[in-house]
Amino acid sequence: EVQLVESGGGLVQPGGSLRLSCAASGFSFSSYWMSWVRQGPVKGLEWVANIKQDGSVIQYVDSVKGRFTVSRDNAKNSLYLQMNSLRDEDTAVYYCTRGTSGYWGKGTTVTVSS
Amino acid sequence: ETVLTQSPATLSLSPGERATLSCRASQSVSSDLLWYQQKPGQTPRLLIYDASNRATGIPARFSGSGSGTDFTLTISSLEPEDFAVYYCQHRSDWPWTFGQGTKVEIK
Repeated sequence: EVQLVESGGGLVQPGGSLRLSCAASGFSFSSYWMSWVRQGPVKGLEWVANIKQDGSVIQYVDSVKGRFTVSRDNAKNSLYLQMNSLRDEDTAVYYCTRGTSGYWGKGTTVTVSS
Repeated sequence: ETVLTQSPATLSLSPGERATLSCRASQSVSSDLLWYQQKPGQTPRLLIYDASNRATGIPARFSGSGSGTDFTLTISSLEPEDFAVYYCQHRSDWPWTFGQGTKVEIK
């Protein structure tokens, strides 16, 4: 059974940082593109980033470029999202997904507020 | 960026009725369009991929059609569990984007 479990969310002040993790199991992690998608109260659903199987291709939505970094560790079956310079508008539930295959984690909540 | 516009924003129907949801793209996305269902407190669930292919386990009452810029999700006969918010999403070019959603509510 495919499982994606996010962690690392929390409350952070504007300008702060957080690192999200996603632990994958039940499939060959190194064979799939992986993604982060967020759902916030203002923007709704937003596809944040994609990373290719070997990490050689990475895509970011413009709103997070230069602030967020996606990475993966295939040996640990894990996906990461390093979020710096956080803004109020980054407040959202962050989901780890196996590309557009329909497998999503349950999400981790990030709240940016002073 | 390709903008997806969904209509109507809200659809009020009774169980057993047919639901027709629209998604229009600001430029062609070919058939690279997906549909999701989301219920309160739950993760979006993939219903349709490549505009017209049902995802694994999705009942036959859900169907998708269209290509280019105009797409439709049809629920042939609404079941009580189908009342939810529906989103379209494209993966034609980066960035992938979602529509703002259509809420199907009980009339």
